[in-house]
Amino acid sequence: DADVTQTPRNRITKTGKRIMLECSQTKGHDRMYWYRQDPGLGLRLIYYSFDVKDINKGEISDGYSVSRQAQAKFSLSLESAIPNQTALYFCATSDRQSRDTQYFGPGTRLTVL
Amino acid sequence: AQTVTQSQPEMSVQEAETVTLSCTYDTSENNYYLFWYKQPPSRQMILVIRQEAYKQQNATENRFSVNFQKAAKSFSLKISDSQLGDTAMYFCAFMKHSSGSRLTFGEGTQLTVNP
Repeated sequence: DADVTQTPRNRITKTGKRIMLECSQTKGHDRMYWYRQDPGLGLRLIYYSFDVKDINKGEISDGYSVSRQAQAKFSLSLESAIPNQTALYFCATSDRQSRDTQYFGPGTRLTVL
Repeated sequence: AQTVTQSQPEMSVQEAETVTLSCTYDTSENNYYLFWYKQPPSRQMILVIRQEAYKQQNATENRFSVNFQKAAKSFSLKISDSQLGDTAMYFCAFMKHSSGSRLTFGEGTQLTVNP
């Protein structure tokens, strides 16, 4: 079984809809991250969480919110999706034992029409 | 703020040959980590290799090695004996030493290995 899982893997939605992307991990890591990938721009950080009570904005947090329901679960929400949020979304995890190396989930392809 | 630049959007190499991917970065930090990630068509992000800035010795992982030039802020990836399965997008990434810090990625280099 994969250590970091994301659901759904693909999603098509309409402008204005609320969308939640979910991430779960079995690695026992305390830190979790959400990134967005656009063509030609690499990955950019949306939000990150060092533990259940610690959530921080990344460089492109506008239009997104997150929830850390448990150490193993970190959800990303788009309250009112817009077309320029069409992208590939990645969840990642890390901890001190992994020497802060981040391990990525398989990604979610989101299309907003 | 840190920036990472990969100046080669696309590269190609013949199977079994060696190829080098370039990466430069800009930072005022002294302690940091550098990474190369691979993204094959499956879109999974896979760690290839990691380098701590305080280590002078270049990291190696089987056919993958880096040339880390701290003063020049350069971090290139060399792939030896290229295989068809090495075809992927390769991303260079930077992280400050403070625990749990964000990764800053370059734009990526699409590598194609030809038979």
